[in-house]
Amino acid sequence: QVQPVESGGGLVKPGGSLRLSCVVSGFTFSDYYMNWIRQAPGKGLEWVSYISGSGRTIHYADSVKGRFTISRDNAKTSLYLQMNSLRAEDTAVYYCARDYYDILTGYYGWYFDLWGRGTLVTVSS
Amino acid sequence: QSALTQPASVSGSPGQSITISCTGTSSDVGGYNYVSWYQQHPGKAPKLIIYDVTERPSGVSNRFSGSKSGNTASLTISGLQAEDEADYYCSSYTISTTRVFGGGTKLTVL
Repeated sequence: QVQPVESGGGLVKPGGSLRLSCVVSGFTFSDYYMNWIRQAPGKGLEWVSYISGSGRTIHYADSVKGRFTISRDNAKTSLYLQMNSLRAEDTAVYYCARDYYDILTGYYGWYFDLWGRGTLVTVSS
Repeated sequence: QSALTQPASVSGSPGQSITISCTGTSSDVGGYNYVSWYQQHPGKAPKLIIYDVTERPSGVSNRFSGSKSGNTASLTISGLQAEDEADYYCSSYTISTTRVFGGGTKLTVL
């Protein structure tokens, strides 16, 4: 089944760190931009970060800039999110999501066509 | 980057049509034809239903349609069905090459 699988969530104290992972299969991982998107309990979606297929292009939301680091290992078809200096407001389900890419035309679409099921991060003392 | 503005809730009866708006600025919705819409049922991951303002992925019902005028995009669902009851989110590419979501709209099928 072509669906990313996130892991690494859990309970962490404010100021602590956590590393999320997302393993994918069923497509050529290195061809695709990948994203982290989060959803606080009972709240809406918030885009967090994206990374290009090569890893050379990276962007972050202002809310996590300087605290979170996105990375990928194309050999392991895995995406990561290193989260440091965690705050209560970082509590959320974190989703790994793929940006659309048409292999035949080389067209990149700025939308999320494949989502994982998410992993819950709880920041609390 | 401020979130796009969506109504908190909309409702309609089975068979009716509803429209959900998504208002941004010229730096996101108004500046690019890269608006997408997602449907999320409780406890599930979001699902793409509209991309590039008006396009529908394979397998998505043609009861879902999208449009845009100026800084406001819209999602219309025609022939409402009970299974359409869900949360709906818009998203746009931005001038900063980042992405932004709307606050979400809860659709209730009466």
